[in-house]
Amino acid sequence: QQQVKQSPQSLIVQKGGIPIINCAYENTAFDYFPWYQQFPGKGPALLIAIRPDVSEKKEGRFTISFNKSAKQFSLHIMDSQPGDSATYFCAAARGGSQGNLIFGKGTKLSVKP
Amino acid sequence: EAGVAQSPRYKIIEKRQSVAFWCNPISGHATLYWYQQILGQGPKLLIQFQNNGVVDDSQLPKDRFSAERLKGVDSTLKIQPAKLEDSAVYLCASSLGPNTEAFFGQGTRLTVV
Repeated sequence: QQQVKQSPQSLIVQKGGIPIINCAYENTAFDYFPWYQQFPGKGPALLIAIRPDVSEKKEGRFTISFNKSAKQFSLHIMDSQPGDSATYFCAAARGGSQGNLIFGKGTKLSVKP
Repeated sequence: EAGVAQSPRYKIIEKRQSVAFWCNPISGHATLYWYQQILGQGPKLLIQFQNNGVVDDSQLPKDRFSAERLKGVDSTLKIQPAKLEDSAVYLCASSLGPNTEAFFGQGTRLTVV
């Protein structure tokens, strides 16, 4: 059973566009929802994270929107740049943990110049 | 500050052989994680250590995988004997504690032929 479902699998946008990546989760015990960015040959790096008592969080060009009742959260990248081309993973954790994570399958984003 | 160090970067072995991966976490980080990332998927947690004790190894295939962190600093992950389906990137991550951000290393890419 996949506890964190991520979509789409891949995404192509033009420079300046706003890609949106969605995740849905099953377990209501999850209390930490991060997004990771991974470049080829590198490990994942934390981009932004949210807890369920907040509906939206912004850090620079990255925004998480969180819908607790729907058990869904999404990543928006404003003014996307070719350097944002990477694979993005949503994840979830419970019990206050920030490292014992259940990851989605990932979204490969390509930003065209 | 130095990041999480892993070695080797790449390893090719035949099925039924054994292999070991090494991880040196960020200095002072008490929590250490090993993840398996199969191509095209998100990372999956194999084991979590707190200092030299195991916190979670529920997803570790214990018939062939083992891990240790004897002095509470660096760690090794071993596979014996390897199967074709073990081909993946093995990521090590560390954090100050279980409730703080986890930082990932670059990983070891294992190919079993």
